[in-house]
Amino acid sequence: GQQLNQSPQSMFIQEGEDVSMNCTSSSIFNTWLWYKQDPGEGPVLLIALYKAGELTSNGRLTAQFGITRKDSFLNISASIPSDVGIYFCAGQLSGGYQKVTFGTGTKLQVIP
Amino acid sequence: DADVTQTPRNRITKTGKRIMLECSQTKGHDRMYWYRQDPGLGLRLIYYSFDVKDINKGEISDGYSVSRQAQAKFSLSLESAIPNQTALYFCASGTSGTGELFFGEGSRLTVL
Repeated sequence: GQQLNQSPQSMFIQEGEDVSMNCTSSSIFNTWLWYKQDPGEGPVLLIALYKAGELTSNGRLTAQFGITRKDSFLNISASIPSDVGIYFCAGQLSGGYQKVTFGTGTKLQVIP
Repeated sequence: DADVTQTPRNRITKTGKRIMLECSQTKGHDRMYWYRQDPGLGLRLIYYSFDVKDINKGEISDGYSVSRQAQAKFSLSLESAIPNQTALYFCASGTSGTGELFFGEGSRLTVL
């Protein structure tokens, strides 16, 4: 089956720093998504990408759909304490009968 | 009220017991999913359903079964729980054609 590998697995950063994380796949996806899980909660969608090469922003977050369709990255600018959580990438193949596969997650800790 | 509701939120049980985790959603979505979360392993897909008459195995379906009682309800059963099924379980719902999922708050299961 498809595997999504995220890196880094975890990171500690100072408040105000920029953050970058990425996700790679052994398979081609037609949709890439990024979710965030706050402690004690379920994941929540941050950004969805539907076209290779697409660059999309949501506030301080920016994500890109890799040209090869096998990777994606997420950047967070000027981190704040509430950015703490686990960030998951997810991919979906094209067609109406495709499941959503999640990555292993990147745990982010922000030091005030 | 939450769009995706899971019950119970926490459960401690013994090896060999039958356990059912229930999920209901109010978003009118046709697709529902069950994922399992373990530290460092991300979200792994157990079962998914694209409509009431459609049930599909995910990557880790052994030891689990599901029932889609209605469009809004999707339950996960462990027929004979074992300790390595101790994990955080998430139900999610979504619409056809996108990977955008809405998650419940999770059900933490401990098998002694």
